[in-house]
Order: sequence, then C-alpha cells, then structure tokens
Amino acid sequence: QVQLQESGPGLVKPSQTLSLTCTVSGGSIINDNYYWSWIRQHPGKGLEWIGYIYYSGSTYYNPSLKSRVSMSVDTSKNQFSLNLSSVTAADTAVYYCARGDSYGRPFDCWGQGTLVTVSS
Amino acid sequence: DIVMTQSPDSLAVSLGERATINCKSSQSVLYSSNNKSYLGWYQQKPGQPPKLLIHWASNRESGVPDRFSGSGSGTDFTLTISSLQAEDVAVYYCQQYYSTPRTFGQGTKLEIK
Repeated sequence: QVQLQESGPGLVKPSQTLSLTCTVSGGSIINDNYYWSWIRQHPGKGLEWIGYIYYSGSTYYNPSLKSRVSMSVDTSKNQFSLNLSSVTAADTAVYYCARGDSYGRPFDCWGQGTLVTVSS
Repeated sequence: DIVMTQSPDSLAVSLGERATINCKSSQSVLYSSNNKSYLGWYQQKPGQPPKLLIHWASNRESGVPDRFSGSGSGTDFTLTISSLQAEDVAVYYCQQYYSTPRTFGQGTKLEIK
C-alpha cells in the first residue's frame, strides 16, 4: 500500500522560500498512471490545489501561485518536492502531498500533512 | 477556473437519518467521450487528511460503506449518506478533476442533531 509523508521546516520567515519534500513508500513514483500533487489548507479553511508533477518532470501549477511555485522530482529517492518563494503570513497552512490517478480517479492517497507557519 | 459551490455550508442530522450534500460546478465536468463526470467527494475528519469516498461522481472507493452514495452529472451533484452514523461527523468536500486547476468546493460540515 502506497504511503506518502511530507517533511520540511515547520517555520519559515517572511520573504523566504518554503521547501517541502514528499517521500513515497510502498510503490514507485515512476508510474505513468499517476501524478503527484501538493495541496494546502489554510487553518480552518478549505482545500487549495497548488500543482502537480509527473515522474518525468512535467508540471502544472495553479495560476494563482504559478509565479512563486516550483516542483521537482527525485526518482532515485522516490520523492517529489515543493518550493514556494517569497512567502507571507497568507502562506501559513497545512501542506499535503497527494497522488492523483491519470485515468479517472482524483486524489486517492494523501500524506498526513505538515503545518508550515510563516512568521518572523 | 471551474468554481465548485457546495450547499449547505453546515448540516445537522439525527443518527440513522439521511444526510444530503449538494455540489454545483460553474461549468460541466462531463467528458462526452466516456460519459463520465470528473467529480470526486472527500471526507475530512479533524486532524486528518481528506479521504476519497467517491470518484466519477458515483463510483464508491473500495472499503467505503455503502451508506455513502454519489449521484449527478454535468454540473449538479449530490452526496447522500443514507443512515447517518456517529463516525460520519466530518467536513465533506467535492472536487472537480475535469480540468486544471483542480478545484474544491468550500466544504460542508456535517454534525449530529
């Protein structure tokens, strides 16, 4: 059974870059059937999709965040990563990594989430 | 972007009674090539990630109790819990995966009356 686990700093200073990694276990990230996403949830609020990446490295970012987002994949470590630059307090949220199915199912597997607080 | 709007925002239902949550998309999420609506439903309990319940609007995920059902097509969808159990208290989200950016409804908080 595939499991995802987010890791990274829980506190980031304003104007700096938020960096998170998602480690995939129980299955290979090299799989044409799946894409790998980041989704965030502001405290007490709804869900916002940040973007996705395929194992090949191809990406799609939410236009609302596109100017500040980059994602990468490390197939040797079975990981994918998120960088969000120039953060402000509005980027404080729980960040989830999740797997999406290319053939008709949305996000079927999620990490537990990690709270990132932007504060000086 | 496709805007997803859920109703109601919150709902209180007695144990054993039916709970109904609605979701409307600002444009159709139906693929004419396979006649499937790319709409999913999730359940999120406090401190947990969302759990996928339904995909393609009406296909229940493996292991999801059959009291959960999804219906609808095109732009209007419904999640029904036929007989509410205590463990069903959660926030429920719909999500379209017809196009990017993927978008979610604002959530419906389900409580016990």
